[in-house]
Amino acid sequence: DARVTQTPRHKVTEMGQEVTMRCQPILGHNTVFWYRQTMMQGLELLAYFRNRAPLDDSGMPKDRFSAEMPDATLATLKIQPSEPRDSAVYFCASGPRPGPYYGYTFGSGTRLTVV
Amino acid sequence: KNQVEQSPQSLIILEGKNCTLQCNYTVSPFSNLRWYKQDTGRGPVSLTIMTFSENTKSNGRYTATLDADTKQSSLHITASQLSDSASYICVVSAKSNDYKLSFGAGTTVTVRA
Repeated sequence: DARVTQTPRHKVTEMGQEVTMRCQPILGHNTVFWYRQTMMQGLELLAYFRNRAPLDDSGMPKDRFSAEMPDATLATLKIQPSEPRDSAVYFCASGPRPGPYYGYTFGSGTRLTVV
Repeated sequence: KNQVEQSPQSLIILEGKNCTLQCNYTVSPFSNLRWYKQDTGRGPVSLTIMTFSENTKSNGRYTATLDADTKQSSLHITASQLSDSASYICVVSAKSNDYKLSFGAGTTVTVRA
């Protein structure tokens, strides 16, 4: 089965450090998302890419978060500097075309702990 | 604001028993509704999708229903198995936005032997 691959699976870092999370979307998928999941807020959209272009990053704290797709096989989410409130599970998802009807496949997530 | 409310927050059932999860939404104009299953430590996986004209959709032992008039959906699990222990998330999308999803908080189901 095709799948979305996220690395690392777990990350523990100290406050103030830079964190980079990586995602390999399913080959051929042209829509890519970054979500954050916490117990309090559930799943929240951080960023949305279509054909590698960022179309919506309104869910991200602009001063510390950045998301990019340097090529079609790699999406990155960076946090600099990290803060304890950033502790969460970060999911990448990809879809074959725009529109939720076609379905999005989620990766297994990166569990980030900032101490 | 588009909202999705799920109930109960959690439930415990014995293996082999049935259960029903509820989802109420205010998303408008409605496009489709999906139920996702999220195992611990994994990403959500889609179980069913329903559009406005569909009122029942099955996937094995999972049956979802939709009442677009009352804006309610349910997910029924038949003859539960230990592997059904997971969080079930109701996700609704609006026609006015083709990528933003409204997520429920999820119902955590624990199946015990």
